[in-house]
Amino acid sequence: QVQLQESGPGLVKPSETLSLICTVSGDSISRDYYYWGWIRQSPGKGLEWMGTVYKSGSPTYNPSLKSRVTISVDTSKNHFSLNLTSVTAADTAVYYCARFCSTSTCYEAFDFWGQGTMVTVSS
Amino acid sequence: SSELTQDPAVSVALGQTVRITCQGDSLRSYYVSWYQQRPGQAPVLVLYGYNKRPSGIPDRFSGSTSGTTGSLTITGAQAEDEADYYCHSRDSSGNRVFGGGTKLTVL
Repeated sequence: QVQLQESGPGLVKPSETLSLICTVSGDSISRDYYYWGWIRQSPGKGLEWMGTVYKSGSPTYNPSLKSRVTISVDTSKNHFSLNLTSVTAADTAVYYCARFCSTSTCYEAFDFWGQGTMVTVSS
Repeated sequence: SSELTQDPAVSVALGQTVRITCQGDSLRSYYVSWYQQRPGQAPVLVLYGYNKRPSGIPDRFSGSTSGTTGSLTITGAQAEDEADYYCHSRDSSGNRVFGGGTKLTVL
């Protein structure tokens, strides 16, 4: 069974960088046709796609976050990471990592999700 | 703002049928997937592609797309179906996007 687990600080100060790691088990992050993404959800709000990365790199980002977000993959550790710079209170959210399936049988969908981790931006 | 539009809230009587819709021009070109999110839990994929359900998702969940509107239909809604539902696809620029979500209440 594919499992994803987010890890990182639960509290980040304004103007600093939010850094999270998603560790994948039960699957290889190097597998063809599967991408790895970050989605966040502010309190009481909907889901916001932040970005997605393939095993070779080449991430794609939400244009609204593009200047602040970096997603990278470490195939040797079977994990991928999120960095979000210059955070403000508006970045307070639950951050989810997820596997994105893009094969001819699963079309395009986030088929496995982590449990999510709450990150609060506050001094 | 999202380029996928969903009704904020929908209600259905227990055992009845309900349709949750997702409207966006990009749905003419891209697949839509649907996610169920119960309070305090991570989203779960319930529909993808051409009306496909992951293993473990009851067959009362079905999906379709017509023109610019994607639909999730629950036939015989159960109490445990009460949740938020989100559609996902691409926007007009090809970027991934989620709809604003629909809160389903089962009466």
